[in-house]
Amino acid sequence: KNQVEQSPQSLIILEGKNCTLQCNYTVSPFSNLRWYKQDTGRGPVSLTIMTFSENTKSNGRYTATLDADTKQSSLHITASQLSDSASYICVVWSNYQLIWGAGTKLIIKP
Amino acid sequence: GAGVSQTPSNKVTEKGKYVELRCDPISGHTALYWYRQSLGQGPEFLIYFQGTGAADDSGLPNDRFFAVRPEGSVSTLKIQRTERGDSAVYLCASSFRGGLSYNEQFFGPGTRLTVL
Repeated sequence: KNQVEQSPQSLIILEGKNCTLQCNYTVSPFSNLRWYKQDTGRGPVSLTIMTFSENTKSNGRYTATLDADTKQSSLHITASQLSDSASYICVVWSNYQLIWGAGTKLIIKP
Repeated sequence: GAGVSQTPSNKVTEKGKYVELRCDPISGHTALYWYRQSLGQGPEFLIYFQGTGAADDSGLPNDRFFAVRPEGSVSTLKIQRTERGDSAVYLCASSFRGGLSYNEQFFGPGTRLTVL
């Protein structure tokens, strides 16, 4: 069964600190992996899209990694800001469908 | 428009009633997607339109759910005989082209449906 699992389920860190969110997937066939940021009450917004051959991709303070052999991805957030408080969702594209993880709820405290 | 818009933003209805949820995609986007998101979960795929036709409706949970996109732009998700389990946020997304895995999907803010 195609699944995307994320950890931790929730995370609280202080402003300015770094954090790493994890994503493991069992999806076949694999086309690409995406990380989305979803603010409360809003639709998801794409942060990165990574294909099979890409190991790392950055978008400002966000850096995503992909290990296609172990089927793992991570999202690293550097120097967190209060505005980073949101849910971060890992998504894998397979057969014209997006397989969504449940997300990690990140809370940044001042 | 500047982005995907959805109306209404909130809808409260009684069990057994019929509801329609509307999505206005980004102008020029040929692909349109509907998702359902329950609290604390990722979005669940419902249906994907390429132009006016439903290219994949495998995510629709049962025949109470139906969606149309008659002119290849605005789409309406229709739910008949609503049940309390239908309560969720219904998200709409559009992309310039569908089917190609690298196409970016842009999401609307969602419609929060509450069935009492």
